[in-house]
Amino acid sequence: EDQVTQSPEALRLQEGESSSLNCSYTVSGLRGLFWYRQDPGKGPEFLFTLYSAGEEKEKERLKATLTKKESFLHITAPKPEDSATYLCAVQALSFNKFYFGSGTKLNVKP
Amino acid sequence: GAVVSQHPSWVICKSGTSVKIECRSLDFQATTMFWYRQFPKQSLMLMATSNEGSKATYEQGVEKDKFLINHASLTLSTLTVTSAHPEDSSFYICSARRPDQETQYFGPGTRLLVL
Repeated sequence: EDQVTQSPEALRLQEGESSSLNCSYTVSGLRGLFWYRQDPGKGPEFLFTLYSAGEEKEKERLKATLTKKESFLHITAPKPEDSATYLCAVQALSFNKFYFGSGTKLNVKP
Repeated sequence: GAVVSQHPSWVICKSGTSVKIECRSLDFQATTMFWYRQFPKQSLMLMATSNEGSKATYEQGVEKDKFLINHASLTLSTLTVTSAHPEDSSFYICSARRPDQETQYFGPGTRLLVL
């Protein structure tokens, strides 16, 4: 069965304190892994798509990496405006739909 | 860009009435759109996949007669919640996929409150 598990559920960081969010997945053939950011009361905002193990993508303070079993979202020197829930989703080769993890709620304190 | 809009952003209705939510892809044509539901502090739950010009594919446990989905054009999909009840109160979010990508782009969501 296809599954996506995100950890930790919640993460509190001081401004400037770098850390990583984890997304572990089990899927019968990976078509793509997607990272989104969601602010309260809003729809998810697209961040990255990763397709194959070893692939990396960067955007400002965020860097996403992918292995055959998991993906990491690294946050370097975070700022309070990075506070949000970060969602990971995987798409299997045989389906259109995404399987979403439960998200990591990040809180960056000034 | 890849901008998706939803209308309305907020709706309050009485129990027993029907509510229509629109999802539009503003700067691209979307052959596939998706409808999700999100409960407080929970992740997104896929309700149905909508392909332009064909019937929607509903996820297990989602009543297709209650949640009517129409994807009449390449830029518009609608979700109608029929005979709404308080338990239908939720945050409904649509997404759209460009034909040349796998990425889903999400709308801002519609918060439905049924009294």
